[in-house]
Amino acid sequence: EDQVTQSPEALRLQEGESSSLNCSYTVSGLRGLFWYRQDPGKGPEFLFTLYSAGEEKEKERLKATLTKKESFLHITAPKPEDSATYLCAVVRGGANNLFFGTGTRLTVIP
Amino acid sequence: GAGVSQSPRYKVAKRGQDVALRCDPISGHVSLFWYQQALGQGPEFLTYFQNEAQLDKSGLPSDRFFAERPEGSVSTLKIQRTQQEDSAVYLCASSLESISGNNSPLHFGNGTRLTVT
Repeated sequence: EDQVTQSPEALRLQEGESSSLNCSYTVSGLRGLFWYRQDPGKGPEFLFTLYSAGEEKEKERLKATLTKKESFLHITAPKPEDSATYLCAVVRGGANNLFFGTGTRLTVIP
Repeated sequence: GAGVSQSPRYKVAKRGQDVALRCDPISGHVSLFWYQQALGQGPEFLTYFQNEAQLDKSGLPSDRFFAERPEGSVSTLKIQRTQQEDSAVYLCASSLESISGNNSPLHFGNGTRLTVT
C-alpha cells in the first residue's frame, strides 16, 4: 500500500533561518513525486515534479531533492511570505491520481 | 488566463439533503480530478475524468457520491443524502494531459467547503 509521511507536522522558523522539510514515501513504481504549497482557504499550488533519484529542482528560495526513499524541500533564508502548508504527493506506476501526505505547516516569523 | 473555478465557495446542508458542487476547469484541459480534504489532512482522491470518460472512481467513499462531466469540460460532484462525515473541502483539479509531468501539472481550484449540520 502506498504511504507518504511528511515531517515535521509543523515548523516555526525565524526569517532567514534555513531548514528542510522531509517527505518519506513507499510506492510501487514511482512515476513522479510532487511538491505543492497550500495557503489557508486556497487550493494547492504546484511547485515541483521529481522523477528519479538524484534529481534536483530549484525555484527562488526552494530546492527539492529526491532519493529512492525520500524527498527534501530545502528552504533557504525564508521570508514570512513562505508561510504555508507544504504538501508532498506521489504517483505510482499504472495510476493517474496523486497520493498526498498530510503536509508540513510552515510559519516564518519576521 | 482563468484558473480552475469552483462553486459554491461554501455550502451548508442539513443532514439528508442532496448537494451539487460545480467545477469549471481550465479551458482545453483534458484531465479532471476531484479530491476531498478534511481539516489538517492532505487531499484524498475521489475520481478522475479524461474528457467525458470517468476512468477511475475508486476513491468515491460510497454510492451516495456521483460525479459527471458530460461534455468533457464542466464537472459536477453530487452527494446524495448528506451525512456529517461528508463535511470537508472538495477540491477540483485539471491538467492539460497526463499529470506525471512538469508540462502538465495539476492545477487546483480553491475548493468548496461543505458543512453538514
